[in-house]
Amino acid sequence: GAGVSQSPRYKVAKRGQDVALRCDPISGHVSLFWYQQALGQGPEFLTYFQNEAQLDKSGLPSDRFFAERPEGSVSTLKIQRTQQEDSAVYLCASSLGVLAGQETQYFGPGTRLLVL
Amino acid sequence: GDSVTQMEGPVTLSEEAFLTINCTYTATGYPSLFWYVQYPGEGLQLLLKATKADDKGSNKGFEATYRKETTSFHLEKGSVQVSDSAVYFCALSSPYQKVTFGTGTKLQVIP
Repeated sequence: GAGVSQSPRYKVAKRGQDVALRCDPISGHVSLFWYQQALGQGPEFLTYFQNEAQLDKSGLPSDRFFAERPEGSVSTLKIQRTQQEDSAVYLCASSLGVLAGQETQYFGPGTRLLVL
Repeated sequence: GDSVTQMEGPVTLSEEAFLTINCTYTATGYPSLFWYVQYPGEGLQLLLKATKADDKGSNKGFEATYRKETTSFHLEKGSVQVSDSAVYFCALSSPYQKVTFGTGTKLQVIP
């Protein structure tokens, strides 16, 4: 497809379970971002990749959150030992690059995570 | 750090009314500014953008002008339609592209 895709679209987890969320960016996009959107709020930055390098992970809320992009394309956000406060929509975005004119981010539909 | 402040909603307008959603920002350097829209049940979509001072972004009848002197990027539309009902997010991107979003403004247009 032409856009950013994410899977699964919905995930229900029991507290304490590990989850893995997948993002397929637009082909050829160098930059990839993860955001967390709580209900009724704007998205909050989690982490940023340029190709396979994770250049900023300052937004990850705890060491239970881990993201990777080993081949510079698909990315996975993993949450270990999920807690109820992790319930949110997790958004992935990609952009062409870092140069001026390439910075526009295109968002996927998100994964809605509910932790019971 | 960077921040975006936008007017709280919900905003309720009659069809064909004039729309303004205020947005101001705080940032170091010269950020790019964006408006994203989220229709019910859908993901975030880029509505318009401006990359430097005095630029005007426009799309689907919506406009916003990058005002560096007032650090503002207000969204306007001359005549709203029911189909414009959505949540609108003002945002800016830092030099290495992390996007900082406002909290969103819900717009409801009634026939």
